[in-house]
Parts: sequence; structure tokens; C-alpha cells
Amino acid sequence: EAQVTQNPRYLITVTGKKLTVTCSQNMNHEYMSWYRQDPGLGLRQIYYSMNVEVTDKGDVPEGYKVSRKEKRNFPLILESPSPNQTSLYFCASSFRGPTNEKLFFGSGTQLSVL
Amino acid sequence: AQKITQTQPGMFVQEKEAVTLDCTYDTSDPSYGLFWYKQPSSGEMIFLIYQGSYDQQNATEGRYSLNFQKARKSANLVISASQLGDSAMYFCAMRAFSGGYQKVTFGTGTKLQVIP
Repeated sequence: EAQVTQNPRYLITVTGKKLTVTCSQNMNHEYMSWYRQDPGLGLRQIYYSMNVEVTDKGDVPEGYKVSRKEKRNFPLILESPSPNQTSLYFCASSFRGPTNEKLFFGSGTQLSVL
Repeated sequence: AQKITQTQPGMFVQEKEAVTLDCTYDTSDPSYGLFWYKQPSSGEMIFLIYQGSYDQQNATEGRYSLNFQKARKSANLVISASQLGDSAMYFCAMRAFSGGYQKVTFGTGTKLQVIP
């Protein structure tokens, strides 16, 4: 089954404790991206990757890191989480293509930073 | 810079009636794609419909249609014959190139509630 797998689904942590949210897709997609969703703000792009070893900042990259060492994986790293990073996070992927490629989303990760 | 604006934070519609969700966009790129996604209370993101900037006809997918007015930079979603299961958040999104890279930008969403 074609899917984007995000883990964990829920995560509660404390300020400053490094964490990684994993994202994996099995559709051979070149394009992968991370979003955070906050009430009233919609989805905002954190980072995206056009292919292996090619990443770029989205609109809200501060406090986050990513890496794309393999085509299927695109982990999101919070090196020193803070309470303002409490949010619902989505990973998404698609073929690189022109602009007609729809995104396939993971199930989301609800993160709480205490 | 790319921008998507959804000016309706929340809307109500009577069951079986049609409803229009507004979306305006801004981009300097002549080639772009416009998308609508649905997010029910369970949280998953569901793709509904796509419109390309060069498409001459408005996109339709079942009960969903996209009213694309390029000159006005609007891409409104029309849901016909609303059903209770249509109650959800709806996001408009745009995919376009920016400085050689391809970005996807979302609006703030519209929460639709269908009343029996």
C-alpha cells in the first residue's frame, strides 16, 4: 500500500530534550516536506527536499533540522525543543514533477513540549 | 513570495445545499497548481481537487468543483449537495516555483459545519 509513515503519532517531551520525528514513504517520491499546523495559522512549511541531499528552508525553519540521506526518509529533528514548538506536524511527499503533483500526507505527529 | 488567503474562518451550510469556500492566491510564477484538501476531525489530510494555471476549464471531481478566475487570482471550492460528512476543515494550497525551488503554500483554512 502506498503510504507516508510518520512516527510517533503522539509525543510529550520536556524543553531542551532532543527529539526526532521520522517520516518514510514507499512511493519513490523525490519531493518531501514538513509542515506544522497551529490553530488559526493553517499549515506552514518548515523544510522541504527536492531530492536526496537537496533540502531548503520553508517559511518557519527556526529551531528545526532535517536531513535527506535516502530517498524514502526525511526525518525532522528538534535539537532543543521549546514550548512554542508544541504543534501538530505533518510530513508529506510527492513526485517532483511540474506543479500538478498532489501531496501525500502522513497521519501527523502531535507534539507537546512542556 | 507565494501567498494563499482564506478569509472565512468558519461557515455553516444546510444539508443538501451548495456552499462556496473562498481562496485567493498570489504568486509571480506563471506556472502553478492550486489544490484543495479536506481535514476531518480525525486529522488526516485528504486531497479533493486540483486546478492548473494553464487549464482552460474549471476542475470538477464529483460534488466538488473549483471556480478558477485567473485574472482575479481566485480558486474557490464549490461543494454541491452538502452532506453531514462534509463537516471538516478545508485548506486551499498552491504549488509553484520560487527561486528555482518548488514550494507548497497553504491557507489558514475554513471550518465548514453542515447542519441537518
